[in-house]
Amino acid sequence: QLQLQESGPGLVKPSETLSLTCTVSGASISDSRTSYYWGWIRQPPGKGLEWIGSIYYSGSTFYSPSVKSRVTISLDTSKNQFSLKLGSVTAADTAVYYCARHEYKNYAFFDYWGPGTLVTVSS
Amino acid sequence: QTVVTQEPSFSVSPGGTVTLTCGLSSGSVSTSHYPSWYHQTPGQAPRSLIYNTDTRSSGVPDRFSGSILGNKAALTITGAQADDESDYYCVLYMGSGILVFGGGTRLTVL
Repeated sequence: QLQLQESGPGLVKPSETLSLTCTVSGASISDSRTSYYWGWIRQPPGKGLEWIGSIYYSGSTFYSPSVKSRVTISLDTSKNQFSLKLGSVTAADTAVYYCARHEYKNYAFFDYWGPGTLVTVSS
Repeated sequence: QTVVTQEPSFSVSPGGTVTLTCGLSSGSVSTSHYPSWYHQTPGQAPRSLIYNTDTRSSGVPDRFSGSILGNKAALTITGAQADDESDYYCVLYMGSGILVFGGGTRLTVL
């Protein structure tokens, strides 16, 4: 059974870089036979979902225009993990951050999600 | 930037039918947007209901159906039950690898 688990600091200071890791178990993130994307989605407290970006098993990435200038998503195939880095954070970046898997063919279909991790931006 | 629109809230009586919609601030939603629907209860991660317009995710009862109605994607729930009370989100593929979620609809069953 595929499982995803987010990890990283729960508190980040304004102007610093938010760094999160998603550890995947039950499947290889670099398996070319299955063609999945690995994505990050966030949800500010009391608000809706926002797609941040995704990475393909090959390493190609897509980012939301709203954060594109500040975000990097990368793979660590040796640890079966993928990571999110979001720079120059402000209070508006405070959110629950989810990692999730989605299909190449049905791109908007996120079939497995992590439980989410709350990141607060505050001094 | 194009905004994906959803009704902020909706209510339905137990046993009733409700249709939630997912539109665009500019233009029409089509199957080429691969509309997908998720529901989320407080404190939980979202869970997939419908993808690729009208395909039910594994384990989702056939009370839930997806379609294109006019210029919007639609999620119809028939025979509403108390535990359908949830937040519902649609997401659209906008091309060039970009996904945009709608603002969500809070469904009340009463």
